Amino acid sequence: SQTIHQWPATLVQPVGSPLSLECTVEGTSNPNLYWYRQAAGRGLQLLFYSVGIGQISSEVPQNLSASRPQDRQFILSSKKLLLSDSGFYLCAWGRRGGGDTQYFGPGTRLTVL
Amino acid sequence: SQQGEEDPQALSIQEGENATMNCSYKTSINNLQWYRQNSGRGLVHLILIRSNEREKHSGRLRVTLDTSKKSSSLLITASRAADTASYFCATGPYSGNTPLVFGKGTRLSVIA
Repeated sequence: SQTIHQWPATLVQPVGSPLSLECTVEGTSNPNLYWYRQAAGRGLQLLFYSVGIGQISSEVPQNLSASRPQDRQFILSSKKLLLSDSGFYLCAWGRRGGGDTQYFGPGTRLTVL
Repeated sequence: SQQGEEDPQALSIQEGENATMNCSYKTSINNLQWYRQNSGRGLVHLILIRSNEREKHSGRLRVTLDTSKKSSSLLITASRAADTASYFCATGPYSGNTPLVFGKGTRLSVIA
């Protein structure tokens, strides 16, 4: 069976510090991978998605970036965090071809102070 | 951009009652999906209905899709306190690897 891992579960970082959130998927090959952000009590905002190694599509211009160094690894980064980067970050995977069921990780709660 | 819009934004009912949530969207879709999110957790897929289907059931869940009105509804029958969560609709497009588009969600509270 497939599983998706995200870490850390919670993170408190000062403004201006760097960020690295990691997501890994097990039990499947060539998945589509997604990063979402969710503000408190709000809907999901798609940040990045990837259909293959090194292929990243950005949905929202901001100070975040994503990388996919391996088939089942997706990393969200920032060089300098802003207060507005606080939120709940969710990683998800779906089967190649898109448009079908997505499977979500447990999320990372990021607080920027 | 968000395509699905859930209605109502929040819903509070008594245990045992039925809960109905609606979703409207704007463009043609391949499928529509409903997800559930418990507070502070990831989303869990509940049910997928394809554009050529009108109704689908899964346990206490019933989903309808009206492509002429570009709308869908999720009915949870005989609700339980454990159904308390946020519910999101997501539309799946026709083209290639284009991602799902999620709505803003309905917060359901079931009071015991």
